[in-house]
Amino acid sequence: EPEVTQTPSHQVTQMGQEVILRCVPISNHLYFYWYRQILGQKVEFLVSFYNNEISEKSEIFDDQFSVERPDGSNFTLKIRSTKLEDSAMYFCASSSRTGWSDTQYFGPGTRLTVL
Amino acid sequence: AQSVTQPDIHITVSEGASLELRCNYSYGATPYLFWYVQSPGQGLQLLLKYFSGDTLVQGIKGFEAEFKRSQSSFNLRKPSVHWSDAAEYFCAVGPFGGATNKLIFGTGTLLAVQP
Repeated sequence: EPEVTQTPSHQVTQMGQEVILRCVPISNHLYFYWYRQILGQKVEFLVSFYNNEISEKSEIFDDQFSVERPDGSNFTLKIRSTKLEDSAMYFCASSSRTGWSDTQYFGPGTRLTVL
Repeated sequence: AQSVTQPDIHITVSEGASLELRCNYSYGATPYLFWYVQSPGQGLQLLLKYFSGDTLVQGIKGFEAEFKRSQSSFNLRKPSVHWSDAAEYFCAVGPFGGATNKLIFGTGTLLAVQP
């Protein structure tokens, strides 16, 4: 069964450093998402991406964040200058369509620890 | 605004006992509802979803959920719990059509299974 994959599984970085989290969505999917889960809190939407542009972003997704689909298979989340409060599990998701019949399939997550 | 409430933060059941995890949502129209499970160290796996039609939906691993519009609920059930069901369970609502495709998650219910 096709699945979303994410690398690395765990990333440790120093505050102020840039990180790039990588995702390979399901191959025929067209819509891509990033969510995050701070330890002990709910999963929160960050951004959705379609047709090589951001279709929606949350208040969390400020100028420090960016997303990119650099080729036909990868989808990345970049945090330019990490803060302690960026420590969280980051989930990538993809779906084949949007709207009423959308089902988002999630990857295993990348745990980001900012020291 | 749309929201999801999972009133039980932590539930412990004995192996073989029945299980019901509660989920209430707030949304002005008929929602699209999901249950995801997150096993330790794993990502979010889709258990089941409700889009329309029969209000009792069957999912993987023997789970089912019932949509009750009058109660704004979508409770997850399993008649006999196995030790491997120990995990965190998230109810989610969305997407909402139009310009937004995000899922809104509840805070999760952590299920422990006693032998």
